[in-house]
Amino acid sequence: NAGVTQTPKFQVLKTGQSMTLQCAQDMNHNSMYWYRQDPGMGLRLIYYSASEGTTDKGEVPNGYNVSRLNKREFSLRLESAAPSQTSVYFCASSVPGRERYSNQPQHFGDGTRLSIL
Amino acid sequence: AQSVTQLGSHVSVSEGALVLLRCNYSSSVPPYLFWYVQYPNQGLQLLLKYTTGATLVKGINGFEAEFKKSETSFHLTKPSAHMSDAAEYFCAVSVRFRDDKIIFGKGTRLHILP
Repeated sequence: NAGVTQTPKFQVLKTGQSMTLQCAQDMNHNSMYWYRQDPGMGLRLIYYSASEGTTDKGEVPNGYNVSRLNKREFSLRLESAAPSQTSVYFCASSVPGRERYSNQPQHFGDGTRLSIL
Repeated sequence: AQSVTQLGSHVSVSEGALVLLRCNYSSSVPPYLFWYVQYPNQGLQLLLKYTTGATLVKGINGFEAEFKKSETSFHLTKPSAHMSDAAEYFCAVSVRFRDDKIIFGKGTRLHILP
């Protein structure tokens, strides 16, 4: 009964280092999302993937890349980490509803807490 | 474009008192609306959602919300607060016939006073 699993849970990086955040879901969902959460800012969408093989930019994509490896996995990569990318990162997934769009809730992982020094 | 405004970044209520968290949305077409709760060091969990039909929606843990189209509101209420309700609450909107994206409000942190 895992749902959405994110690894690692915590990470500290130095400016300029690279890192990949991993996300996997076992609910056979088509859509997957990466958000960042900052105090007072709510959740902001970085990238999303409506289906295997497709990815699209969200509200704050700069400095990030994503890979939808298969239906289960959606990874987020920071190529050259910057202090402004210190945040909590959440992965989520959902299945499109009968109208295909947006009436189904998103299921969230527990987050990755990333600090960049 | 759709948007969500949550009034009050922090709300404090006494244990046993009414909880009211306010949410207003902006959407040019009928929206889908959601409330999520986030406990410390956890991800977001769905409390309730409005899609179509009855405008009063009941969720988990005794929470409910009413969709009021004329007021473009979707306020969250609970008759009697419990200490375990202390958390951050997010209102969210998505738009039919568009894409799978959901727009989240900035969140309201609920504090329960003993």
